[in-house]
Amino acid sequence: GIQVEQSPPDLILQEGANSTLRCNFSDSVNNLQWFHQNPWGQLINLFYIPSGTKQNGRLSATTVATERYSLLYISSSQTTDSGVYFCAVVFSAAGNKLTFGGGTRVLVKP
Amino acid sequence: DTEVTQTPKHLVMGMTNKKSLKCEQHMGHRAMYWYKQKAKKPPELMFVYSYEKLSINESVPSRFSPECPNSSLLNLHLHALQPEDSALYLCASSRTGTARFSEQYFGPGTRLTVT
Repeated sequence: GIQVEQSPPDLILQEGANSTLRCNFSDSVNNLQWFHQNPWGQLINLFYIPSGTKQNGRLSATTVATERYSLLYISSSQTTDSGVYFCAVVFSAAGNKLTFGGGTRVLVKP
Repeated sequence: DTEVTQTPKHLVMGMTNKKSLKCEQHMGHRAMYWYKQKAKKPPELMFVYSYEKLSINESVPSRFSPECPNSSLLNLHLHALQPEDSALYLCASSRTGTARFSEQYFGPGTRLTVT
């Protein structure tokens, strides 16, 4: 079936380190978003990126739609980057539904 | 302004109670969504309202009853819930009436505990 897979499932970083999170999706998509869920449960929009590359401060993202993957880069990580990062897509064949990956749980240690 | 608000932040209810969750957005968005998130799991879609009409019900039990009184408001009425319904309930909205080609924005959630 259609699915979204994120890797790694867990990531422990030392403050200041760089990291790459990956999202693979099984079919063509119309919409791809990256979110950061903070410890209080709030889902914060990071990128709306169905294709191409975007940057926002220390974060950047690249989606290669033809190869069905997206990458989220975190540079110079800070303790406030801790939380769960979700990739979510709307598959072209699945209409009006945003489907989430399983998430990557990130812990940044001081 | 990309704010979606939800009330209450926390709710504890017994299995015989009736309660409602409220969601509001003033961005002129035409689609609104309810999601349920269990601990250490991703959010799962429950309902979609598009142009104030229910367009998707993901086979949610009838003890959850959504309502969209106008384009800015979305309610979720709860009745005779079970302890396994305890979760974080998230509301979202998007500019167009469809999730395609349109970014979703989420509220802070209501953390529900059923005793």
